Amino acid sequence: GAGVSQSPSNKVTEKGKDVELRCDPISGHTALYWYRQSLGQGLEFLIYFQGNSAPDKSGLPSDRFSAERTGGSVSTLTIQRTQQEDSAVYLCASSPSSGAGGSYEQYFGPGTRLTVT
Amino acid sequence: SQQGEEDPQALSIQEGENATMNCSYKTSINNLQWYRQNSGRGLVHLILIRSNEREKHSGRLRVTLDTSKKSSSLLITASRAADTASYFCATDTVEYGNKLVFGAGTILRVKS
Repeated sequence: GAGVSQSPSNKVTEKGKDVELRCDPISGHTALYWYRQSLGQGLEFLIYFQGNSAPDKSGLPSDRFSAERTGGSVSTLTIQRTQQEDSAVYLCASSPSSGAGGSYEQYFGPGTRLTVT
Repeated sequence: SQQGEEDPQALSIQEGENATMNCSYKTSINNLQWYRQNSGRGLVHLILIRSNEREKHSGRLRVTLDTSKKSSSLLITASRAADTASYFCATDTVEYGNKLVFGAGTILRVKS
């Protein structure tokens, strides 16, 4: 079956522009996660969805970042007025969880490499 | 600060040798997972070990967990060039809620 997909795979944008990153999770997975990974670093948690609701938004670095999930499936991460420090790889993962997300393995997409110039 | 920290930061070995990576964490966990990442893109799940387990095997992988020391190790036996990647541990804790907290990773290079 299809894995987690993300689009675009690469995005170059000018400082101050808005960007939208898309994640298509594995069909039937109720939990969806967004992470950010800067060059040579570990993964930084951004936000977690259970169905369409986001019980944990604690990792969003500023109010320029927002995310939504519709139909319990596709999720979009939006970054407004991008800054150079937003440059990173944005990774999405899904899992078939109905409780603590970490109790299940997470299936990762290939990521979107965002470069803000 | 990081919940999980891997050691060493980088490891270079010859093909056929064993590779051992360590992970230490700070708070009590429900489980600990190891992931592999090739070329800075998507991560692949390797193994999950629960807090009441001490050792787990999967193919050439062996994971141990010592909750008294708050540490885990990942052993890759008979390494291959294809094992070259970054390896991350991730912890699931009550304190951090419904998310995995990842360490900074160990970069493994297997020379053929």
